[in-house]
Amino acid sequence: DAGVIQSPRHEVTEMGQEVTLRCKPISGHDYLFWYRQTMMRGLELLIYFNNNVPIDDSGMPEDRFSAKMPNASFSTLKIQPSEPRDSAVYFCASSLGAGASGETQYFGPGTRLLVL
Amino acid sequence: DQQVKQNSPSLSVQEGRISILNCDYTNSMFDYFLWYKKYPAEGPTFLISISSIKDKNEDGRFTVFLNKSAKHLSLHIVPSQPGDSAVYFCAAIITGANSKLTFGKGITLSVRP
Repeated sequence: DAGVIQSPRHEVTEMGQEVTLRCKPISGHDYLFWYRQTMMRGLELLIYFNNNVPIDDSGMPEDRFSAKMPNASFSTLKIQPSEPRDSAVYFCASSLGAGASGETQYFGPGTRLLVL
Repeated sequence: DQQVKQNSPSLSVQEGRISILNCDYTNSMFDYFLWYKKYPAEGPTFLISISSIKDKNEDGRFTVFLNKSAKHLSLHIVPSQPGDSAVYFCAAIITGANSKLTFGKGITLSVRP
């Protein structure tokens, strides 16, 4: 398996523009997570899905952020409108099941977002 | 409120010596702990874990120690190698409740040749 795939790897946009980040989880994994990494806050969980259903979105910073998982092999994280403070590295991760053996999450390479 | 704290942002160690990376947590409900390693321009990768029913878990050069009474865990790398230079994240989870990993901010380890 190619692992978790994220696109784009880098995104530079201007304030106010819509940004869409994409993720393809590892085949067969039933959990998908979106994280944001910043220097100030480290790795923060934004939202996670189980079997394509959003389970917990309490980490989504505000209504400008939305995430969808239309099928088991694809998820998007959208920011509309984007702001400079959204600049960060966004990671997607997937895992198989839950419980002590399932917490090992496999991360994608991340999308480095810069909002000017 | 940071439930998982890695208070030292960086650590520099000579090759061949021991690296000790520390992590503290505040939520006593956490019962499983993990360490992830991250190289630049890559995502974090799982390194080692420990259940709260244990106080030590060893995997090759890597050993994680857990002190539940102090809500403290540490990662020991012996001997340290230049290839170990990376950011190390401590993470914790409440198994059975949800699948949310709570991460610390990470520690940047530099191993000098």
